[in-house]
Amino acid sequence: DAGVIQSPRHEVTEMGQEVTLRCKPISGHDYLFWYRQTMMRGLELLIYFNNNVPIDDSGMPEDRFSAKMPNASFSTLKIQPSEPRDSAVYFCAIKDRGYGSPLHFGNGTRLTVT
Amino acid sequence: AQSVTQPDIHITVSEGASLELRCNYSYGATPYLFWYVQSPGQGLQLLLKYFSGDTLVQGIKGFEAEFKRSQSSFNLRKPSVHWSDAAEYFCAVAPGAGSYQLTFGKGTKLSVIP
Repeated sequence: DAGVIQSPRHEVTEMGQEVTLRCKPISGHDYLFWYRQTMMRGLELLIYFNNNVPIDDSGMPEDRFSAKMPNASFSTLKIQPSEPRDSAVYFCAIKDRGYGSPLHFGNGTRLTVT
Repeated sequence: AQSVTQPDIHITVSEGASLELRCNYSYGATPYLFWYVQSPGQGLQLLLKYFSGDTLVQGIKGFEAEFKRSQSSFNLRKPSVHWSDAAEYFCAVAPGAGSYQLTFGKGTKLSVIP
């Protein structure tokens, strides 16, 4: 997890509010991924970027979800408006450059929508 | 589409005992398989991976896994469990070594009795 910093660690918000989750890769990478983890559905891939370009966002559940990667050192996942069913742990992960290199996960953001 | 099944939701073992965590996958071509570990409040850490070659792969922390194509399995093993191994373990499959569109199993939570 040393390669990715996520903020905030915990977020509690009311239904209808906008939520922005942040990811800062601190090591070289070529891919960045956003995952969501819930008890019911496990780990789900939401979207991933290659060299800052979104490649596949088919896992994004609804139009309320959007993600951006303005540069190699920063990515955001936004939910607007948030709903209680969005409550989950959201992980950002990066892949080191090079064939066969592993994913490095951040420590996640635990989102609670009341 | 690929899928992963971890049939055991929760396993409890005594410290010093051997461990085997089961993983079955479904994929039409040669799978690329991974085991990750997640400690409470942390992201996922790669334990080991299988791309090709020797079907018995060694990982970190004394873990190993064996790929059995005939059984569509990739079970994780450790000969002697330590209390610090208590965590949740995830098996994952990707359609190619260069692809990191991982599909994760639901995870197996390991508890260790002192």
